[in-house]
Amino acid sequence: EAGVAQSPRYKIIEKRQSVAFWCNPISGHATLYWYQQILGQGPKLLIQFQNNGVVDDSQLPKDRFSAERLKGVDSTLKIQPAKLEDSAVYLCASSLYRDVYGYTFGSGTRLTVV
Amino acid sequence: AQTVTQSQPEMSVQEAETVTLSCTYDTSESDYYLFWYKQPPSRQMILVIRQEAYKQQNATENRFSVNFQKAAKSFSLKISDSQLGDAAMYFCAYRNKRRSQGNLIFGKGTKLSVKP
Repeated sequence: EAGVAQSPRYKIIEKRQSVAFWCNPISGHATLYWYQQILGQGPKLLIQFQNNGVVDDSQLPKDRFSAERLKGVDSTLKIQPAKLEDSAVYLCASSLYRDVYGYTFGSGTRLTVV
Repeated sequence: AQTVTQSQPEMSVQEAETVTLSCTYDTSESDYYLFWYKQPPSRQMILVIRQEAYKQQNATENRFSVNFQKAAKSFSLKISDSQLGDAAMYFCAYRNKRRSQGNLIFGKGTKLSVKP
């Protein structure tokens, strides 16, 4: 089966600019996650979707970050305006609804804010 | 809140030797899942091994095995017959069994180097 697709792979922007990341999960996976991984740290959950509904966005900085999952398939994560501390790898993962531990991760987008 | 701690920022092992990576966690839950993920330079997180808390038997996957000590809240990973391809970042992760809290909580990782 195809994996979780993410694009772009790399992105460099200036602070205060906006950026968007795209994720295409494995076909049939109802649950989609966005994680932020700052250099030297483990990934931290930003938002979790179940189909096209938000399950958990408690750690999403809502003043600058937004995410959507239209039609319960693809998802986009947006940052506007970006800050220097947003420099990180943004990982997308997906899983089946009833699969209690079968996460599949994408290769992430490395964002550098200068 | 649940936390995961990996106290070894870096580890090194000789090829064909055995290495153990440490992980401790904190939770008030009695049933949960624990995982070890490998992250090579390609950045994709790859599941190495998983353990269900209610299972007393330690999980094994080929050269990878865990030592799960529930009372001590310890979950270490043993890699036997280390290979050059094992070099990567290794992350310990916790997942609550309740679906409403189904996200993974990761430690800071351990960078494993394998010397030829």
